[in-house]
Amino acid sequence: NAGVMQNPRHLVRRRGQEARLRCSPMKGHSHVYWYRQLPEEGLKFMVYLQKENIIDESGMPKERFSAEFPKEGPSILRIQQVVRGDSAAYFCASSPGSASGNTIYFGEGSWLTVV
Amino acid sequence: DQQVKQNSPSLSVQEGRISILNCDYTNSMFDYFLWYKKYPAEGPTFLISISSIKDKNEDGRFTVFLNKSAKHLSLHIVPSQPGDSAVYFCAAGGSYIPTFGRGTSLIVHP
Repeated sequence: NAGVMQNPRHLVRRRGQEARLRCSPMKGHSHVYWYRQLPEEGLKFMVYLQKENIIDESGMPKERFSAEFPKEGPSILRIQQVVRGDSAAYFCASSPGSASGNTIYFGEGSWLTVV
Repeated sequence: DQQVKQNSPSLSVQEGRISILNCDYTNSMFDYFLWYKKYPAEGPTFLISISSIKDKNEDGRFTVFLNKSAKHLSLHIVPSQPGDSAVYFCAAGGSYIPTFGRGTSLIVHP
């Protein structure tokens, strides 16, 4: 499968636990974006990364959320001390170059439920 | 403040007829626009895009129209099929990371 791969597809965490969501971009893509979709809302941008660099994290909550895209391996979105309001679908997308004039392609999403 | 607005949360159309989904944006610096289709419990799938140097782009049953002066774009689906029933997201970008609207739920009745 040459598409954007996300795992896990579904994750259940208790309040206060940590959630780690992983994303492998499409082959040949070096730019990764994370979006979140809360219930009954649209897709909200969180963070944009290239290998070993965070380019734009203006949409990421200042506390408890972090993201990385290491030289080797998938991009990881980490949510510490989860709360019920973190329950959402988290989508990763990738593009071959910057988003400037490029289409971004999404993965299937990771659904986080906080109980 | 929403920079990309899809003012119709839902649209119902009969099979075979035209579906027209609308999108408005506020930032005149946006110069690349995209439409995505999303089924429940799946990720958004890219449908069609248009650059600001064009006013129309066509791909099979899907056509996107861009009116830069009105900061408005629309997606036309002709003819509509039941399998087109999904949520459609408009996105605006270019030099910017794509910003999405809230989506329009399209239902195509057989």
